[in-house]
Amino acid sequence: TQLLEQSPQFLSIQEGENLTVYCNSSSVFSSLQWYRQEPGEGPVLLVTVVTGGEVKKLKRLTFQFGDARKDSSLHITAAQPGDTGLYLCAGGGGGTYKYIFGTGTRLKVLA
Amino acid sequence: GAVVSQHPSWVICKSGTSVKIECRSLDFQATTMFWYRQFPKQSLMLMATSNEGSKATYEQGVEKDKFLINHASLTLSTLTVTSAHPEDSSFYICSARDFGTENYGYTFGSGTRLTVV
Repeated sequence: TQLLEQSPQFLSIQEGENLTVYCNSSSVFSSLQWYRQEPGEGPVLLVTVVTGGEVKKLKRLTFQFGDARKDSSLHITAAQPGDTGLYLCAGGGGGTYKYIFGTGTRLKVLA
Repeated sequence: GAVVSQHPSWVICKSGTSVKIECRSLDFQATTMFWYRQFPKQSLMLMATSNEGSKATYEQGVEKDKFLINHASLTLSTLTVTSAHPEDSSFYICSARDFGTENYGYTFGSGTRLTVV
């Protein structure tokens, strides 16, 4: 069974601080995605990484896919209250197009 | 961009009744859709893969007779929770991917909150 563990589970920080969320697995994934979910809504895709060692930037968010394609990280610079939400990594791809979600990281950014 | 519409947004039903949730891809065709379940403050758990024109593929531990999935067209998948019980109360979300783009990402519906009383 493929499992994706995220850490930390919860994070409460002040506006302007930096943070990193980790997504780890013992399985290799064809691709890995990061989503953000607000309460009562479906997740919204932030990024997809497909190449080992790949780094992608989305404004203040930096995503990295591990060289072995087993892990990933999300770094947020100068967090803002609007970044508050549940961050989910999802690994999968390949022939089944099926994605398994990580355990989630709940972020709260205080003004 | 790709849009997935999910209805209803919320539903309250009595124990023993059945509830149908619809998931539609509005501007693209989806031969495959996925159904997830999410408990409060937890991550998404994949329930099944819905395949257009064929039987759904269920994940281990998911009762296929309880969670009936029908994918009769390229734009519509339905999940029916049969003989619902309070323990079935949860947030159900569908997703689909527009293979017509180079974006590997999946688009999610807005979810259905089911409460069984």
